[in-house]
Amino acid sequence: QKEVEQDPGPLSVPEGAIVSLNCTYSNSAFQYFMWYRQYSRKGPELLMYTYSSGNKEDGRFTAQVDKSSKYISLFIRDSQPSDSATYLCAMSRGSARQLTFGSGTQLTVLP
Amino acid sequence: GAGVSQSPSNKVTEKGKDVELRCDPISGHTALYWYRQRLGQGLEFLIYFQGNSAPDKSGLPSDRFSAERTGESVSTLTIQRTQQEDSAVYLCASTPRGGVTGELFFGEGSRLTVL
Repeated sequence: QKEVEQDPGPLSVPEGAIVSLNCTYSNSAFQYFMWYRQYSRKGPELLMYTYSSGNKEDGRFTAQVDKSSKYISLFIRDSQPSDSATYLCAMSRGSARQLTFGSGTQLTVLP
Repeated sequence: GAGVSQSPSNKVTEKGKDVELRCDPISGHTALYWYRQRLGQGLEFLIYFQGNSAPDKSGLPSDRFSAERTGESVSTLTIQRTQQEDSAVYLCASTPRGGVTGELFFGEGSRLTVL
């Protein structure tokens, strides 16, 4: 069983839709939770970062962490075609430097 | 300033040959990471450098894989006697000292195809 599970999609939504992306994990030692966005043929870039449980909002993006359920989510409001990319969840243990990534969800926002 | 630079961007090689992949991190970044991304899969941690020492090599899949780094500069990932299962995108990332936990700055990757 993988430490981090993520539905690979692909997910296709119309412009303006609310998108929900999710990951589950098995290791309760994870404390830092990240969402990375990866455009085709590019390296991933950090989108959102959350420490422990709770919500964090940044513009159209909201990250949620529920440590009791070992479940994290990324919501995208008013989705745009420019949001079309692969979204990777990632997490780390304490001060551990390496991240454990999910397999990524491929999102397409149709104009 | 310039981002993380990786070369070659694409490499096609025959099974059994050795390959070298190069990473030039962002200037001033002290930590450097190598990850592997197989088609349709997430990023798989390979090795982490702090300066030119590698405190964590736990992700290197076999003794065919090795990496080195010169000071806080360029790193080279070497794969000896390549196998078809080595086909993947090899991503390098760097972070500054005291940077945000979990924020890695990635290059665009080196796409390796082993025939």
